[in-house]
Amino acid sequence: AIQLTQSPSSLSASVGDRVTITCRASQDIRKGLGWYQQKPGKTPKLLIYGASSLESGVPSRFSGSGSGTDFTLTISSLQPEDFATYFCQHFNSYPFLFAFGPGTKVDIK
Amino acid sequence: EVQLLESGGGSVQPGGGSLRLSCAASGFSFGSYAMSWVRQAPGKELEWVSVIRGSGGHTYYAASYYADSVKGRFTISRDNSMNTLYLQMNSLRVEDTAVYYCAKGVAVDGMIYFDSWGQGTPVTVSS
Repeated sequence: AIQLTQSPSSLSASVGDRVTITCRASQDIRKGLGWYQQKPGKTPKLLIYGASSLESGVPSRFSGSGSGTDFTLTISSLQPEDFATYFCQHFNSYPFLFAFGPGTKVDIK
Repeated sequence: EVQLLESGGGSVQPGGGSLRLSCAASGFSFGSYAMSWVRQAPGKELEWVSVIRGSGGHTYYAASYYADSVKGRFTISRDNSMNTLYLQMNSLRVEDTAVYYCAKGVAVDGMIYFDSWGQGTPVTVSS
């Protein structure tokens, strides 16, 4: 089964900073990756699908890139409401299963 | 507006304990979408549990799949006439303790992502 790893596991940043989070797949998944944001005590929210497509309603400061095994989520200018944990996700059609990355927690410096 | 409302969580003892989770859906054509259960242990990462494919408005057989950690113990099902998703959990273990989320799957270019999530229902397995 495909494994997803994320780096860093946590980071501290300030409002206005540019933040980059990496997700690495154990094998080539082309552009089949999504990114989610989860705030403490809240439900996950889809931000990016297809590695780089922005989900409707998500601010344009969020962007995704990558293909194959290496992917990045970038927040161009961190806002107070962006302090959260970010997860990557892949769906495998054979066998039919889903994988999530371990998460990257972004907190206030 | 899509709404997913889970219920049925609670506390059970390990070994013989069982629970049945429900997820009431509204705001979309429920039968047309894959639906999944995803869980999250306290302070831990998201873990996919099970998915059932959309069955085009019919309640008869819809393919379902499970994570290895729950295969043979959990059963996912759906009632499209009631817009409800279920998860029957048997032989519960301490490691099944988590918040269980119901999530709606959206298919894009052969991939499935979860574009709506419920608020979750907590399950505690402890002696």
